[in-house]
Amino acid sequence: SQTIHQWPATLVQPVGSPLSLECTVEGTSNPNLYWYRQAAGRGLQLLFYSVGIGQISSEVPQNLSASRPQDRQFILSSKKLLLSDSGFYLCAWSVAGFSQPQHFGDGTRLSIL
Amino acid sequence: QKEVEQDPGPLSVPEGAIVSLNCTYSNSAFQYFMWYRQYSRKGPELLMYTYSSGNKEDGRFTAQVDKSSKYISLFIRDSQPSDSATYLCAMSPPHQLIWGAGTKLIIKP
Repeated sequence: SQTIHQWPATLVQPVGSPLSLECTVEGTSNPNLYWYRQAAGRGLQLLFYSVGIGQISSEVPQNLSASRPQDRQFILSSKKLLLSDSGFYLCAWSVAGFSQPQHFGDGTRLSIL
Repeated sequence: QKEVEQDPGPLSVPEGAIVSLNCTYSNSAFQYFMWYRQYSRKGPELLMYTYSSGNKEDGRFTAQVDKSSKYISLFIRDSQPSDSATYLCAMSPPHQLIWGAGTKLIIKP
């Protein structure tokens, strides 16, 4: 069966520090991969998605970036965090096709001080 | 107007009640409809996945899609305290998944 791992579960970072969140998927090949941010009491905001190695599409202009160095690895990064980057970050995967259901990791709660 | 509207709640019901959760949408191109359950500090978990109109049942859960009214529902029978969570709807045209903001459900023992 397929599993998705996301770490760390919680992270506290100072303003202006760099960020690296990692997500890996097991049990499937060539998945679509997604990064979302969820603000308290609000829906999911799609940040990035990838349909293959090295292919990244950005949905929201911001100081975050994403990379997919391997087929089942997806990384969310920032060079300098802002206070507004605080939130709950979720990684997800699906089989190819945007109408397919997405399967989520347990998220990273990021607090910027 | 948001593409998908979902009442944020909270919706509080007694244990054993039938729960009805709903989403409305504006885009008639949506064809695939999903319901997710999200516990606090966890990622969303897929509950139901349906295509086009009609009903789909899985245990205590029934998903209903009415494309003519642009309205989808999730029914939970014999609700349990463990059903307390936030329920998100999601729907898809060919190119993107659009999410509701979620309804917080509380089942009182």
